[in-house]
Amino acid sequence: ETGVTQSPTHLIKTRGQQVTLRCSSQSGHNTVSWYQQALGQGPQFIFQYYREEENGRGNFPPRFSGLQFPNYSSELNVNALELDDSALYLCASSRERGREQYFGPGTRLTVT
Amino acid sequence: GQQLNQSPQSMFIQEGEDVSMNCTSSSIFNTWLWYKQDPGEGPVLLIALYKAGELTSNGRLTAQFGITRKDSFLNISASIPSDVGIYFCAGQPPYGGSQGNLIFGKGTKLSVKP
Repeated sequence: ETGVTQSPTHLIKTRGQQVTLRCSSQSGHNTVSWYQQALGQGPQFIFQYYREEENGRGNFPPRFSGLQFPNYSSELNVNALELDDSALYLCASSRERGREQYFGPGTRLTVT
Repeated sequence: GQQLNQSPQSMFIQEGEDVSMNCTSSSIFNTWLWYKQDPGEGPVLLIALYKAGELTSNGRLTAQFGITRKDSFLNISASIPSDVGIYFCAGQPPYGGSQGNLIFGKGTKLSVKP
C-alpha cells in the first residue's frame, strides 16, 4: 500500500510569485487535508477536501486555494507569495472525514 | 480559537527510562491523535483515540483519551535511542466551524541525555 506522496520536495520562489504543490493520497482514502508548519511549531490547518469539495478551512487568506481531483489527489496553490509563507507544507489523507490522518513527507517552500 | 497546551516542551532521556508527556485543552475534542516527527519528515501517526476514557497501546507506547475529553497523555516505556524526535498531540474538535481541522500542540522534543 503506497503512502501519501508529495511533490516537489523542495522549492524556492521569489516574493510575489505563485506556487502549486501536489499531493497523492493513500490508496483507499477520499479526504485530503493541507497544513502549514513553520519552524519549531506544530502544523496549522489550511483546508480539507472531501470528494472534490472543500470541507473546511482554517485561518488562511484566499490567496491559499486548493483542488481535489476525481482520483482524490490534491493541489495547494498559493498566489502572491510572501516571505512568511516560507514553511513546510504537509498533506494528509484519511479514509473518511473525521478519521485518523496520515501525513506525507512535506514540501519545503522557501520564499526569498 | 482552540489551543492545545503540550508539556513538557523538551526532555532528555536515557535508554531504558520511561517517558510521559501530555496535552490539555480548554475545549473538548472528539478525537486525540499522537504523532512523531523526525527532522525533515512528515509526522507519523503513533496512536489514535476516539472515546473518552479510552486507553490504547502500540508496542511500548500507551496513550489515553481523558475522561473530560479535554486532555490526553502519551507514555513511552523502556525508551530506546530511536525514540528521539518531536512528539505532537493533535485533537479534532466536534464538527462545526472549520470541519476537518486537526489542532496540534507545539510538540515535545525528546533528546538523548548527554
